[in-house]
Amino acid sequence: GAGVSQSPSNKVTEKGKDVELRCDPISGHTALYWYRQSLGQGLEFLIYFQGNSAPDKSGLPSDRFSAERTGGSVSTLTIQRTQQEDSAVYLCASSFSGRGDTEAFFGQGTRLTVV
Amino acid sequence: GENVEQHPSTLSVQEGDSAVIKCTYSDSASNYFPWYKQELGKGPQLIIDIRSNVGEKKDQRIAVTLNKTAKHFSLHITETQPEDSAVYFCAASPPGQNFVFGPGTRLSVLP
Repeated sequence: GAGVSQSPSNKVTEKGKDVELRCDPISGHTALYWYRQSLGQGLEFLIYFQGNSAPDKSGLPSDRFSAERTGGSVSTLTIQRTQQEDSAVYLCASSFSGRGDTEAFFGQGTRLTVV
Repeated sequence: GENVEQHPSTLSVQEGDSAVIKCTYSDSASNYFPWYKQELGKGPQLIIDIRSNVGEKKDQRIAVTLNKTAKHFSLHITETQPEDSAVYFCAASPPGQNFVFGPGTRLSVLP
């Protein structure tokens, strides 16, 4: 595709359920980022993948959050036992090369609502 | 680690006037400074970026200036139009590290 694709665009889940959010980066981009954006707030870094290297998970807020990236392409962010404070827009971005030195292209985001 | 501050948090200007948003960063090693525009319901999009080896960059109505000594950089939008209304984020990144974003500025261009 032409850009970063995220699915679903909206997700409503009950407190305590697990959710999976998907990100399809731009083809050929080796770097992939996940960010969280609470209503009216800035961008909170969650996790970073670069090629086959071990991911930088330093931004994950708790052990309920995990992410994987299969085959260096598609990434899935999983939130287990969701809580109301997890409600936010989850943004995925990819870039052609290394960490923080080239343009990051963002997807439209997944709006997660935990009720 | 890097810390980025951004001011103002909200900015209202009359159509046709200029808008200026300022950011400061803490890590003198940071060498890449992008600016992103986020419209309602969309992901952020890069509008301009600057690297530490230049002091100014311009693209039509948008310009960015960088003062490495003072560790601050600014976004300048001239002849503002209603479609410039959005949230703007600055970011800084030290070599080999993640982007650190500022908290954002909500710009409203009044017709």
